[in-house]
Amino acid sequence: GAVVSQHPSRVICKSGTSVKIECRSLDFQATTMFWYRQFPKQSLMLMATSNEGSKATYEQGVEKDKFLINHASLTLSTLTVTSAHPEDSSFYICSARSGVNYNEQFFGPGTRLTVL
Amino acid sequence: KQEVTQIPAALSVPEGENLVLNCSFTDSAIYNLQWFRQDPGKGLTSLLLIQSSQREQTSGRLNASLDKSSGRSTLYIAASQPGDSATYLCAASGYSTLTFGKGTMLLVSP
Repeated sequence: GAVVSQHPSRVICKSGTSVKIECRSLDFQATTMFWYRQFPKQSLMLMATSNEGSKATYEQGVEKDKFLINHASLTLSTLTVTSAHPEDSSFYICSARSGVNYNEQFFGPGTRLTVL
Repeated sequence: KQEVTQIPAALSVPEGENLVLNCSFTDSAIYNLQWFRQDPGKGLTSLLLIQSSQREQTSGRLNASLDKSSGRSTLYIAASQPGDSATYLCAASGYSTLTFGKGTMLLVSP
């Protein structure tokens, strides 16, 4: 149980285009989903927290107009990187938390974004 | 603000050795402490989660301990194998967020 998927697993795009990454909880309802970014040899840094049906809360230094987050249902959250630039190239990982066990997050397999 | 530090940053051992990875955190008001494994280019695999009321958790050759008062956790790996080679991350859980350390990159050579 507690499986989280991400799609796509890998994406390469041209500078200036937008990329959408999906995060799904497959066997539970995720009241909260989190988006992290990981640069090479660095730890995971929380970008934003999204609760179903409400606006996401962004961490300091994360541009909400550039990283659009939508949590339209209890099993799906999307992260859209708008007008992507090479410095946005990174590994993006989502996690999901159910309303049952509030203190445990279940992680997706990650999405490798490369912006040319 | 919670800060999590992992020592060492990298570790190389021969197969069969027992080893200890260290994690320290600055704010002892945590809900739990979690250890993850991350293979290159992959996501996170949860290894062990220790609730704040617990002292340790065990799974197979892995044993994780937690000392909240001193802000420390250790991950003990017994009889290491080449398949254990990966980066190990610890994360401290606050009310609603996880704070990760930078990880320990482990290489177990045959």
